[in-house]
Amino acid sequence: EIVLTQSPGTLSLSSGERATLSCRASQSVSSSYLAWYQQKPGQAPRLLIYEASSRATGIPDRFSGSGSGTDFTLTISRLEPEDFAVYYCQQYGSSPGGTFGQGTKVDIK
Amino acid sequence: QVQLVESGGGVVQPGRSLRLSCAASGFTFRNYGMHWVRQAPGKGLEWVAVIQYDGSNQYYADSVKGRFTISRDNSKNTLYLQGNSLRAEDTAVYYCTRDVRSRYFDLWGRGTLVIVSS
Repeated sequence: EIVLTQSPGTLSLSSGERATLSCRASQSVSSSYLAWYQQKPGQAPRLLIYEASSRATGIPDRFSGSGSGTDFTLTISRLEPEDFAVYYCQQYGSSPGGTFGQGTKVDIK
Repeated sequence: QVQLVESGGGVVQPGRSLRLSCAASGFTFRNYGMHWVRQAPGKGLEWVAVIQYDGSNQYYADSVKGRFTISRDNSKNTLYLQGNSLRAEDTAVYYCTRDVRSRYFDLWGRGTLVIVSS
């Protein structure tokens, strides 16, 4: 099973700052099978990025995804107040439902 | 409106059973594989089970294999999760999600909370 490790666990930033979130896989993942989700307290996860770098419908262009192989990154170019949330990466190529990273919490500094 | 709505959660004693439902609307349900994903209180996301668009195949996480059964009724646009021999560690919010080409989940319900406790 591919294990995804996200870092940092918590990222404390201010509105307007750039956020860089990392997702590292224990073995190579096809870019086609790497996604990112955002989850706010009390809400369901929401798809942000699929196939490593494609934004889902309605996602602002301040969100971008990149990476390949075992290292993937989610970048939020300028944090808006509504962006403070938990972010999960997911790989879905090596097993029926895939696996999720443990999450990175972006909170207000 | 494209949506998924879960129901059936509640408090259940250890060792008992519970059936969750997920009603789909606004899209052609029979065209999509569907999953259950759960989240224990204060924890991350854990994939639970998947069923193919026509119900022909199902797969489970090791943590629920042999105890949970995923099924669907395409005539009713509804997904189900039958959980038997429930344990305290099954306590979680259970989400149903829509699969896109076995690559990612693009639609999530709001979830239903299951608490396993005596």
